[in-house]
Amino acid sequence: EAAVTQSPRNKVTVTGGNVTLSCRQTNSHNYMYWYRQDTGHGLRLIHYSYGAGNLQIGDVPDGYKATRTTQEDFFLLLELASPSQTSLYFCASSHSPWTGHSDYTFGSGTRLLVI
Amino acid sequence: GDSVTQKEGLVTLTEGLPVMLNCTYQTIYSNAFLFWYVHYLNESPRLLLKSSTDNKRTEHQGFHATLHKSSSSFHLQKSSAQLSDSALYYCALSDLYNQGKLIFGQGTKLSIKP
Repeated sequence: EAAVTQSPRNKVTVTGGNVTLSCRQTNSHNYMYWYRQDTGHGLRLIHYSYGAGNLQIGDVPDGYKATRTTQEDFFLLLELASPSQTSLYFCASSHSPWTGHSDYTFGSGTRLLVI
Repeated sequence: GDSVTQKEGLVTLTEGLPVMLNCTYQTIYSNAFLFWYVHYLNESPRLLLKSSTDNKRTEHQGFHATLHKSSSSFHLQKSSAQLSDSALYYCALSDLYNQGKLIFGQGTKLSIKP
């Protein structure tokens, strides 16, 4: 069954710590996205990718790096985590938006706490 | 740039009453797609319904919405709320200006009371 799988489900790290969030999709989608969800702000786009090796900057990229190693795998990196990055992170995938059917398939989320 | 506005952060209703969640948007493109996503607690957000056709009612799982390009609105409605409708609802916009990426509103939390 096509899916988007995120790991870990929960993560606690200290300020200044190094964190990697993983996302794998089996939908054969080219496009993948990383969002953060915060009360009052909704879903905000951090980084996204059109395909393996491609990376695009989203709306709230500061403090985050990302890497798309294969069509299936998209990673979000926090190299110096700060408390402001405490959030619920979602990965999503979709077909090419140019088809006009930008239905996203979301992962189950990673809850990150930076103390 | 494009934007989506959901003015209500929280809507609390009694079971059985009608639901209306507001969504307005801004875009310079006439061929925008509008979406409603629903996020139940401890689950993944998922698509509820979508539309790109002006003045056409779209329905799914008891909810419906009509895209009105003249007023840039795509309000979500349901005739009778159920306890199981309690969730976070996102309105979203996609068009060529944003290369098809979804632009989400701030979300509306719907809480249904017995």
